[in-house]
Amino acid sequence: EPEVTQTPSHQVTQMGQEVILRCVPISNHLYFYWYRQILGQKVEFLVSFYNNEISEKSEIFDDQFSVERPDGSNFTLKIRSTKLEDSAMYFCASSEAGGTTAYNEQFFGPGTRLTVL
Amino acid sequence: TQLLEQSPQFLSIQEGENLTVYCNSSSVFSSLQWYRQEPGEGPVLLVTVVTGGEVKKLKRLTFQFGDARKDSSLHITAAQPGDTGLYLCAGRNSGGSNYKLTFGKGTLLTVNP
Repeated sequence: EPEVTQTPSHQVTQMGQEVILRCVPISNHLYFYWYRQILGQKVEFLVSFYNNEISEKSEIFDDQFSVERPDGSNFTLKIRSTKLEDSAMYFCASSEAGGTTAYNEQFFGPGTRLTVL
Repeated sequence: TQLLEQSPQFLSIQEGENLTVYCNSSSVFSSLQWYRQEPGEGPVLLVTVVTGGEVKKLKRLTFQFGDARKDSSLHITAAQPGDTGLYLCAGRNSGGSNYKLTFGKGTLLTVNP
């Protein structure tokens, strides 16, 4: 069964360093998302991406964050200068449909645990 | 801000018992999804409900979407230890974002053998 994959599973970095989290969405999906989950808290939306541009972003997704689809299979989240409060699980998700389609079923990857020291 | 409130927050039951968990909001959702999440892993999609009053069954799990599309419930019959996990509801707000899922905090279910 097709699934979303993410690498690395765990990333440890020093405050102020740049990190890139990588995702391979399900191959026929056109809409891609990043969410994060701080330990013990809700899953929170960061950004959605379609047709090589950001379709929506949350207030969390500030100038320190960027997303890219560098080729036909990967989808990346970059954090330019990490802060302690960026420590969280980051989940990539993808969906076949989006927009006003009711069945915008989002399938999640296993996550990358980011630890900022 | 659209909020999804899930209750109860924690539920511990014995194998074989039935249970219902709830997901409530003051907002109308165009669709609502239920996920199950294991510790340290990503949410796994269980079901999507779209139509008010809709009922969907997945083996021993029954999902219902409220008539007004503001609430949903998940009922598990004859719970098994393998049902243990965090059950999350997530919705797309009607008339709002076409992309973003809003998640509840989840119900942590423990089924004891």
